[in-house]
Amino acid sequence: DIQMTQSPSFLSASVGDRVTINCKASQNINKYLNWYQQKLGEAPKLLIYNTNNLQTGIPSRFSGSGSGTDYTLTISSLQPEDVATYFCLQHSSRPLTFGSGTKLEIK
Amino acid sequence: EVQLVESGGGLVQPGRSLKLSCAASGFTFSNYGMHWIRQAPTKGLEWVASISPSGGSTYYRDSVKGRFTISRDNAKSTLYLQMDSLRSEDTATYYCATDRVYYGLSSFDYWGQGVMVTVSS
Repeated sequence: DIQMTQSPSFLSASVGDRVTINCKASQNINKYLNWYQQKLGEAPKLLIYNTNNLQTGIPSRFSGSGSGTDYTLTISSLQPEDVATYFCLQHSSRPLTFGSGTKLEIK
Repeated sequence: EVQLVESGGGLVQPGRSLKLSCAASGFTFSNYGMHWIRQAPTKGLEWVASISPSGGSTYYRDSVKGRFTISRDNAKSTLYLQMDSLRSEDTATYYCATDRVYYGLSSFDYWGQGVMVTVSS
């Protein structure tokens, strides 16, 4: 199974800050990496698919990058409504595996 | 608007069975692969099973193979997960999710709110 190591586990930042969250795969996943956002009490929402493709309706302050084993989610200017847990998913091979999540709070 | 509503969860004894349902609306159900994902209390997310749009292909994680069965009724726009020989480690919130790709099996797009399954004596 491909292991996904996500960091940090917890992140506190101020409104307007640039925020980055990282996922490292245990092997090359060929950019088959998605990012999801889960707000408290809500269903997870797809933000970015295949490393850098913004899902329809997602604000442009969200972006993704990476290749090989290393991937990054960036929020260019943190907004209060971005408080949530973020997690990555590799879909290069089964079983599909998730990162452990990053809980993002406003400082 | 895509809606996925899970039901059928609850408290069940080890070794017993439970069947989850996921009622879908807002999209053409028969055109998309579907998935079950779970999250145990204080643990991370874990893919459980997937099914192709026609139902002809199914995939499972090793720990549930032979115990869980994913199925779908395209006429009713409903996804199912039959869970037999339940174990305490199956305790989790179970989510259904659509595939992202038209008529394929790729990754997860829309998710339901989840349903809790507790396996305990």
